[in-house]
Amino acid sequence: GEDVEQSLFLSVREGDSSVINCTYTDSSSTYLYWYKQEPGAGLQLLTYIFSNMDMKQDQRLTVLLNKKDKHLSLRIADTQTGDSAIYFCAEILNTGKLIFGQGTTLQVKP
Amino acid sequence: EAQVTQNPRYLITVTGKKLTVTCSQNMNHEYMSWYRQDPGLGLRQIYYSMNVEVTDKGDVPEGYKVSRKEKRNFPLILESPSPNQTSLYFCASSLSAGALETQYFGPGTRLLVL
Repeated sequence: GEDVEQSLFLSVREGDSSVINCTYTDSSSTYLYWYKQEPGAGLQLLTYIFSNMDMKQDQRLTVLLNKKDKHLSLRIADTQTGDSAIYFCAEILNTGKLIFGQGTTLQVKP
Repeated sequence: EAQVTQNPRYLITVTGKKLTVTCSQNMNHEYMSWYRQDPGLGLRQIYYSMNVEVTDKGDVPEGYKVSRKEKRNFPLILESPSPNQTSLYFCASSLSAGALETQYFGPGTRLLVL
């Protein structure tokens, strides 16, 4: 079946790097996405990667994709208190169906 | 201004009373979808639509209906709401299913079913 899994919670100190991990089961995914949700707000697309890419860097964000292991990660360099939020990974299948993980709450301590 | 609007933003209702949550986008997007967000479960897709008159079930379609008669509107219908449909609902649209970098989310509708 189709499933996307994330760990639920990550705590880091300000200035450290954060790595949020995600695994998925369906190999027909075409794109994989990372979203950020701040308290009381909707979802904001952070970055995405095409399924035939291994890595994508966008300023402080680095996405790594291991297609063989169906593992996706989001690294946030120099994490700031403003990065505290819930982060969702998601995959879109070739049918158009979009599947989200449960979300990882990132807590950044000063 | 490009946006996705949802109405109502907040709704309290009782079991069995039919309700509709409207969703409208002004960007001529083809792909629209509905999600529900519950603590610990993340977002789950209810229904999605690749274009007018084309709708498909997502992960949790039971108890919901949708229609896509016009490109801009994608209402979510709960024919007989039950308490387990108490949730936060988001509508979203994008140019196409393969262009989610263009995706906009609505502000959310918080529904409580008593």
